[in-house]
Amino acid sequence: DVKVTQSSRYLVKRTGEKVFLECVQDMDHENMFWYRQDPGLGLRLIYFSYDVKMKEKGDIPEGYSVSREKKERFSLILESASTNQTSMYLCASSSLGIQDNQPQHFGDGTRLSIL
Amino acid sequence: GQSLEQPSEVTAVEGAIVQINCTYQTSGFYGLSWYQQHDGGAPTFLSYNALDGLEETGRFSSFLSRSDSYGYLLLQELQMKDSASYFCAVPGDSSYKLIFGSGTRLLVRP
Repeated sequence: DVKVTQSSRYLVKRTGEKVFLECVQDMDHENMFWYRQDPGLGLRLIYFSYDVKMKEKGDIPEGYSVSREKKERFSLILESASTNQTSMYLCASSSLGIQDNQPQHFGDGTRLSIL
Repeated sequence: GQSLEQPSEVTAVEGAIVQINCTYQTSGFYGLSWYQQHDGGAPTFLSYNALDGLEETGRFSSFLSRSDSYGYLLLQELQMKDSASYFCAVPGDSSYKLIFGSGTRLLVRP
């Protein structure tokens, strides 16, 4: 079974702090994703990466950056946390592309509160 | 761009059948996916339809009509554990990305 592990389930930080969310997958997947999930808005893609050191912006990248130095690890960085970044953050991974019917496998999420 | 519409909430009785609809707009199309998410849990993959028609997997079936840009998830013999949110998703502007609907919260009552 694919395992996607997010470093924290719950995290509380202060406005202006630099925040790191870590995600590790154990299935040698090429693709990794960061989403945020807010009530009534579904899952919105922040950034994704299709290879080591490669990244592309998703639909809501403002205020975030990412790092993928190793294939199994994808980090989401909030450069200067703000209260509107309080949300559930979900990491996912997949191999190949959607047209190959390769589903995305999700971690359990990190509920981040910015005070 | 891409967009998806699905009902926000559906309620059904244990043992019944429920259908969750999804309409989509997308510039290219590879297929329609469905994911299930229990409260506090991770979304998990349920099904993928690339071609028109019905795909059955146990109590769950998924249907796609590409000409109508429409699909649905059919849940039969509902159980209390089926209470969850269900998301439809289509590929974004690259084959790696998924665009998710806002989700349908299914409540199964005894």
